[in-house]
Amino acid sequence: NAGVTQTPKFRVLKTGQSMTLLCAQDMNHEYMYWYRQDPGMGLRLIHYSVGEGTTAKGEVPDGYNVSRLKKQNFLLGLESAAPSQTSVYFCASSPTGGIHPQHFGDGTRLSIL
Amino acid sequence: GENVEQHPSTLSVQEGDSAVIKCTYSDSASNYFPWYKQELGKRPQLIIDIRSNVGEKKDQRIAVTLNKTAKHFSLHITETQPEDSAVYFCAAGPGGYQKVTFGIGTKLQVIP
Repeated sequence: NAGVTQTPKFRVLKTGQSMTLLCAQDMNHEYMYWYRQDPGMGLRLIHYSVGEGTTAKGEVPDGYNVSRLKKQNFLLGLESAAPSQTSVYFCASSPTGGIHPQHFGDGTRLSIL
Repeated sequence: GENVEQHPSTLSVQEGDSAVIKCTYSDSASNYFPWYKQELGKRPQLIIDIRSNVGEKKDQRIAVTLNKTAKHFSLHITETQPEDSAVYFCAAGPGGYQKVTFGIGTKLQVIP
């Protein structure tokens, strides 16, 4: 049981390049989330999903797209990377059936030059 | 939407002393208040959470209190140890599938 796995762990991009971050969970959780973490700003929600095939915008969705084609996977895409998207990205998941805490992955450190 | 304010942003205590971190929230619909600990370079991990029908919860050296009327909740760590050094985040939200909003974090340093 690996929990929440994020790939890649590190990546350096040039401005304008695109990439996809992958989040996979093996806990059969219904809900999944993408956050970005910047110094002094805590964790800010980018997008989230309440089930396979559904996605919704969080606090800071601009410049990002997501997809949840399979229940266990939640993908975060940057179509045209900008230096302002340099951050540490965390994926999290949580189960249904009441109120439960979110389980986080190890993060992806993304630098955009 | 929900707005969570957390303070202090940094906190230094001597080993063995207590540490208190305070958060306020704005949305009266919030019913779930988790606290996460994040060590340097690691993932946030839940250390304790509380629901709105409970005023206080303890787990060994950690306790959380909630005042729904005043819309504030606090984390208390007693007998602090060097391994308690980390960034602590509070969060608030309705619970269930609905998102929680995080505070900006408190960097706790325990001085041996």
